[in-house]
Amino acid sequence: EAGVVQSPRYKIIEKKQPVAFWCNPISGHNTLYWYRQNLGQGPELLIRYENEEAVDDSQLPKDRFSAERLKGVDSTLKIQPAELGDSAVYLCASSRASNQPQHFGDGTRLSIL
Amino acid sequence: GENVEQHPSTLSVQEGDSAVIKCTYSDSASNYFPWYKQELGKRPQLIIDIRSNVGEKKDQRIAVTLNKTAKHFSLHITETQPEDSAVYFCAARGLGNTPLVFGKGTRLSVIA
Repeated sequence: EAGVVQSPRYKIIEKKQPVAFWCNPISGHNTLYWYRQNLGQGPELLIRYENEEAVDDSQLPKDRFSAERLKGVDSTLKIQPAELGDSAVYLCASSRASNQPQHFGDGTRLSIL
Repeated sequence: GENVEQHPSTLSVQEGDSAVIKCTYSDSASNYFPWYKQELGKRPQLIIDIRSNVGEKKDQRIAVTLNKTAKHFSLHITETQPEDSAVYFCAARGLGNTPLVFGKGTRLSVIA
């Protein structure tokens, strides 16, 4: 089966600019996650979707971050405006259900100038 | 909330030797413990996982052990090979819809 697909792989922007990341989960996976991974750290959850519903967004900085999964399949994560501290790898993962193993995409490496 | 500590942060072993990475968790209700391998610039890949109803699980050269009483679990890699070199992350998840919490990772280097 095809894995989790993310795009773009790399993004370089200036601070205060907007940026968006896209994720296509594994077919049939109802649960989708967005994580942020800082250099030398483990992934940290930003938001979790069950189908199209965001069921855990407690760690999402809502003043500048937003996400959507309108049809319960693909998802986008947006940052507006980006700050220097947002530089990280943004990983998307999916699972058949929330109690099943998670599988990650390759991530988007974001660099803020 | 859950807190996961992982040790060591770096580990170097000779090819053919065994490697052991240890993690502790704080939430006694946690019941799922996966391990991920992440090569440089690549995605974290699930290599093995264990649920709290078993104490040990093996898959070829890798094994995971769980001690619920002490709240720690370990990854064991035997007969290490250079391609085992990567960063390994442990994680723990509690009951219900609590999130997966990751350790900070262990950078394993297998020296040929």
